[in-house]
Amino acid sequence: RKEVEQDPGPFNVPEGATVAFNCTYSNSASQSFFWYRQDCRKEPKLLMSVYSSGNEDGRFTAQLNRASQYISLLIRDSKLSDSATYLCVVLAEFMDTGRRALTFGSGTRLQVQP
Amino acid sequence: DTGVSQDPRHKITKRGQNVTFRCDPISEHNRLYWYRQTLGQGPEFLTYFQNEAQLEKSRLLSDRFSAERPKGSFSTLEIQRTEQGDSAMYLCASSFGTTGDEQFFGPGTRLTVL
Repeated sequence: RKEVEQDPGPFNVPEGATVAFNCTYSNSASQSFFWYRQDCRKEPKLLMSVYSSGNEDGRFTAQLNRASQYISLLIRDSKLSDSATYLCVVLAEFMDTGRRALTFGSGTRLQVQP
Repeated sequence: DTGVSQDPRHKITKRGQNVTFRCDPISEHNRLYWYRQTLGQGPEFLTYFQNEAQLEKSRLLSDRFSAERPKGSFSTLEIQRTEQGDSAMYLCASSFGTTGDEQFFGPGTRLTVL
């Protein structure tokens, strides 16, 4: 079982649609959670952190359920420019080395169509 | 540009040759990470430096791989006797200090082994 699991998609949605991505993680000691965005053949870039209370950044809303080890990302009013791969990422700290290790899911591909 | 830079951006080599990649992190960042990403997968951790000390290596990093960060600034990743299975995008990321949750990624070096 992968440490971080995502539906690979692709999700094909029309402009203006609302789309939701889900992610589950297996390491209960994970401390921090993120969504990264990766455009085709580009590097990953931080989209937003995910907090236990849920958080919103414009059209994007992230939720975390620690009990179920589940993370979600909701995108409202999809734009063509939202087309990308969305990577679910969890962070755990290894006390012996101090490494703050990011573990990435395989990503969910979103294609917003005109 | 004050972001993470990597050189070269693309490398094509024949099986059995040695290759070396360079990463220049954001200047005040003391933590540096190497990841490998193959098509359809998220980045996978390879190795981690805090300043000049290499504190951790993934089991993905075989004996043919070596990384250095001699002065705690730029880092190099060398692959000896390349194999076709080494073909991937090699990503470098950096972060700062004890709150380095956000890792900033470079554009990557795409390696193709023929």
